[in-house]
Amino acid sequence: IVLTQSPGTLSLSPGEGATLSCRASQSVSSTYLAWYQQKPGQAPRLLIYGASSRAAGIPDRFSGSGSGTDFTLTISRLEPEDFAVYYCQRYDGSSLFTFGPGTKVDIK
Amino acid sequence: EVQLVESGGGLVQPGGSLRLSCVVSGFTVSNNYMSWVRQAPGKGLEWVSVIYSAHSGGSTYYADSVKGRFTISRDNPKNTVYLQMNSLRVEDTAVYYCANIGPRGMDFDLWGQGTVVTVSS
Repeated sequence: IVLTQSPGTLSLSPGEGATLSCRASQSVSSTYLAWYQQKPGQAPRLLIYGASSRAAGIPDRFSGSGSGTDFTLTISRLEPEDFAVYYCQRYDGSSLFTFGPGTKVDIK
Repeated sequence: EVQLVESGGGLVQPGGSLRLSCVVSGFTVSNNYMSWVRQAPGKGLEWVSVIYSAHSGGSTYYADSVKGRFTISRDNPKNTVYLQMNSLRVEDTAVYYCANIGPRGMDFDLWGQGTVVTVSS
């Protein structure tokens, strides 16, 4: 299963909303879909697991949704610290993990 | 405080070997699923390997790109996870992150700061 993320880059202003897409080449169990944020020079940070559950300490402006082959990460109002690269990730249920290529959210 | 601290990266020639270490504090590695994830310069994340908890049998799995060349293991008294990398290739150049797989068994909820591996002649 291949994960495709779109757009590759999203140029937005602080305060705007962001919608990031992750599409799988075959159906993925919602239980096995996660989202991460990565800032330059830092390790990734888990944002969303199980497609829609926020990880500990993640602000409620981040939300995840979707099922089957189409999943979405939504940031309701961009804060300056939200400009980063976002990755989706799936687990195949038998010990293999895959990341999408990432979406960069940068400041317009 | 929970911490994952990687070390062991460096410059190595193609065909060479390196062993990465991930020293963990704040939880017991033998009770958790532990993994390595890498990131080539300017590229995205690539899962490398996982070792399951002792309770789950300690099985190990690898990405096709490293299978047969890399070995993941752990030392329980040292609370450390290792990645032995043999027959290194230029394309193995990356930042290597140690990560804990969360209780759901499918996502990476704790990460180290990474260690840089450069394979070049």
